[in-house]
Amino acid sequence: DAMVIQNPRYQVTQFGKPVTLSCSQTLNHNVMYWYQQKSSQAPKLLFHYYDKDFNNEADTPDNFQSRRPNTSFCFLDIRSPGLGDAAMYLCATSRDRGPYEQYFGPGTRLTVT
Amino acid sequence: GENVEQHPSTLSVQEGDSAVIKCTYSDSASNYFPWYKQELGKGPQLIIDIRSNVGEKKDQRIAVTLNKTAKHFSLHITETQPEDSAVYFCAASINSGNTPLVFGKGTRLSVIA
Repeated sequence: DAMVIQNPRYQVTQFGKPVTLSCSQTLNHNVMYWYQQKSSQAPKLLFHYYDKDFNNEADTPDNFQSRRPNTSFCFLDIRSPGLGDAAMYLCATSRDRGPYEQYFGPGTRLTVT
Repeated sequence: GENVEQHPSTLSVQEGDSAVIKCTYSDSASNYFPWYKQELGKGPQLIIDIRSNVGEKKDQRIAVTLNKTAKHFSLHITETQPEDSAVYFCAASINSGNTPLVFGKGTRLSVIA
């Protein structure tokens, strides 16, 4: 039944060691989003894919990259994680951009040691 | 850009009482207003949404009202139950292709049995 799946649910990485988080969806939605959520804060949009079209938010650090090899999968790459990158990373999908429901995955909690 | 303010940041109610969470938005072009519920360790889940062509929408114990003139919208939960305890986020979006959802900072609701 899971529609947006994120793996792993918990990830520990070392300072400066690249890490990749993955997201897959069974909804066949056009749009996939990556959010960063720190404790007691709202989700912050990092970027989104509209089909293969990548859209980066202006304040997303260059340290964060994303790949979407096909409709179902999207990856978040953090090239050199810092302590400040420890957070919950949420993947979401919607069938189109604009005023459509976003379906969130359960998130990956990233710890940086 | 759009800015969404949400109040209160925390709310405690007795089981069976009503809870009201309020949000204001800045961009009069916003026309889609979803509410998300986030339980501990999970991703946000849409509970109700409203579009700018209606003033109120209800789904069982949950209702949302929208005042476009004043640019505010509210979530009403009646007959609260302990399982309503969670963090609630409001959001606003403009109906144009590349505009993301803008989230409020969240309200932590505690329903006391």
